[in-house]
Amino acid sequence: AQKVTQAQTEISVVEKEDVTLDCVYETRDTTYYLFWYKQPPSGELVFLIRRNSFDEQNEISGRYSWNFQKSTSSFNFTITASQVVDSAVYFCALSVKGTYKYIFGTGTRLKVLA
Amino acid sequence: DGGITQSPKYLFRKEGQNVTLSCEQNLNHDAMYWYRQDPGQGLRLIYYSQIVNDFQKGDIAEGYSVSREKKESFPLTVTSAQKNPTAFYLCASRGLAGGREQYFGPGTRLTVT
Repeated sequence: AQKVTQAQTEISVVEKEDVTLDCVYETRDTTYYLFWYKQPPSGELVFLIRRNSFDEQNEISGRYSWNFQKSTSSFNFTITASQVVDSAVYFCALSVKGTYKYIFGTGTRLKVLA
Repeated sequence: DGGITQSPKYLFRKEGQNVTLSCEQNLNHDAMYWYRQDPGQGLRLIYYSQIVNDFQKGDIAEGYSVSREKKESFPLTVTSAQKNPTAFYLCASRGLAGGREQYFGPGTRLTVT
């Protein structure tokens, strides 16, 4: 069975601080995909990034960066110099090759204070 | 603009009534999904459909029904058998080619009293 754990329920930071959101996953499959989504107060989930299991290269996109480590089954998300607009709930998700289902974590609520 | 639309944004119903939530996409995606989100919780899969005229139950299908008569449309009916229907409902779609990421609609917040 697959599982995604986001142990941090809520994080509060002051604007311009760096913050890391943790994601730990479980699967026995060798080919899988990991995702991060952002859910602002409006409610719609916005896709941020996808990472394939065979590609452990870290990625940076502006102030966002992702650290994928198969050895620890983690796919952590770092926001550098956080801004108030980053305030949202962030979800990590897992999908296994050959299935159409996605397993979501329970989300981490990030509050960035001005 | 390409995307997923869900209507209405807010929906109120009396207990015992069936209600249908709309989901339409113009992304030419084959797969479509319905999720339920409760406060402080993650997304739970209700139903999904890979192709027209075919759909599968997710983890919490009891009390819900769907249809997939057109590729663009995947309506969800919340029946009176659903014991706790008040929630935020999200529709998503995914293409079979390219990346596996899902794209989501804006959601419908259903309140049943």
